Amino acid sequence: DSGVTQTPKHLITATGQRVTLRCSPRSGDLSVYWYQQSLDQGLQFLIQYYNGEERAKGNILERFSAQQFPDLHSELNLSSLELGDSALYFCASSGGGGDYGYTFGSGTRLTVV
Amino acid sequence: AQSVSQHNHHVILSEAASLELGCNYSYGGTVNLFWYVQYPGQHLQLLLKYFSGDPLVKGIKGFEAEFIKSKFSFNLRKPSVQWSDTAEYFCAVKGYGGSQGNLIFGKGTKLSVKP
Repeated sequence: DSGVTQTPKHLITATGQRVTLRCSPRSGDLSVYWYQQSLDQGLQFLIQYYNGEERAKGNILERFSAQQFPDLHSELNLSSLELGDSALYFCASSGGGGDYGYTFGSGTRLTVV
Repeated sequence: AQSVSQHNHHVILSEAASLELGCNYSYGGTVNLFWYVQYPGQHLQLLLKYFSGDPLVKGIKGFEAEFIKSKFSFNLRKPSVQWSDTAEYFCAVKGYGGSQGNLIFGKGTKLSVKP
């Protein structure tokens, strides 16, 4: 157990639908990061939040959004889902700027049918 | 832009063979370097990291990596692999300093160790 909790572990949904993935960071970590892992693209950085504020954006589609709540948990919202959105979505957390590396959760496997 | 290249997509070794996985990065500044491992069905775990100082860093489970600044490389090594090392290995780079970018990963190298 890494200390980063992601729910749900698996999600199967239809095209056009909207889903929410949830992440609770390791205790004491203020930064939360979302990554998408697919076979062809590898691990792609989506977005970072630090203490409730968006800090950095990567290759995140406009159909995707995220937020970090006062209790520091984060949610990644994926809407108008397409088959190509099927992937593993990882959340990671770190203290401060993450210079010492990130701690990853077990991921949510999203399958869009 | 930052990028990380891992040269081998899939490496197959027999137990007790030596391992070296290549990693090159592109970044115009001071970097922190990492190797992560992902065992089948599990999350990414940190194997080792380099910040500064001795360019040869040792990690968990007998892994080590050498930072060669002139070659922008951070290759992972293990003298003798075990079947339990079967996993996917990811090299990652981050600009030094909290505001300097995020962790950028290579595409990974899948290691299969035959018993």
